[in-house]
Amino acid sequence: DADVTQTPRNRITKTGKRIMLECSQTKGHDRMYWYRQDPGLGLQLIYYSFDVKDINKGEISDGYSVSRQAQAKFSLSLESAIPNQTALYFCATGAGGTDTQYFGPGTRLTVL
Amino acid sequence: GNSVTQMEGPVTLSEEAFLTINCTYTATGYPSLFWYVQYPGEGLQLLLKATKADDKGSNKGFEATYRKETTSFHLEKGSVQVSDSAVYFCALPASGAGSYQLTFGKGTKLSVIP
Repeated sequence: DADVTQTPRNRITKTGKRIMLECSQTKGHDRMYWYRQDPGLGLQLIYYSFDVKDINKGEISDGYSVSRQAQAKFSLSLESAIPNQTALYFCATGAGGTDTQYFGPGTRLTVL
Repeated sequence: GNSVTQMEGPVTLSEEAFLTINCTYTATGYPSLFWYVQYPGEGLQLLLKATKADDKGSNKGFEATYRKETTSFHLEKGSVQVSDSAVYFCALPASGAGSYQLTFGKGTKLSVIP
């Protein structure tokens, strides 16, 4: 079984709709991250969390919110989706005194 | 903060050719350096890393040496295979020790043809 899972894997939605992307991990890691990937732009950090009570904005948090429901779960919400939020979204985890991160398989989101 | 620049692609090679993907960095101190790989339709996977200057990371036939003199961490493989077709990302911590955030290059797409 995958250590970091994301649901859904693909989603098509309409402008103005609220949508939630979910991430779960079985690695026991304290840190969790949400990234966005656009072609030619690499990965951009949206939000990150070092534990359940510690949530921080990344470089592109506008239009997004997150919830850390438990150590193993970290959800990303788009309150009112817009077409330029069409992208590939990745969840990642990290632990201990290392910078290494472990990624989920991604969610491809299309906003029409 | 720290930053990384990697060569732009796409890169197309024939099977068994030699691969080099250049990566240079700007950083405070000597942070760990990473190469991640993204196969089609999948998430990023850690390919290799080096934690201090002059270290060589290696995995699956790929190698990269942490060179502080040239602030580089170039990815190399002696003989690529079709299965190596993927996007490769160079990365390093975004800022000082304990930040636990990574900053990524824009990725280099590699296509290997038979």
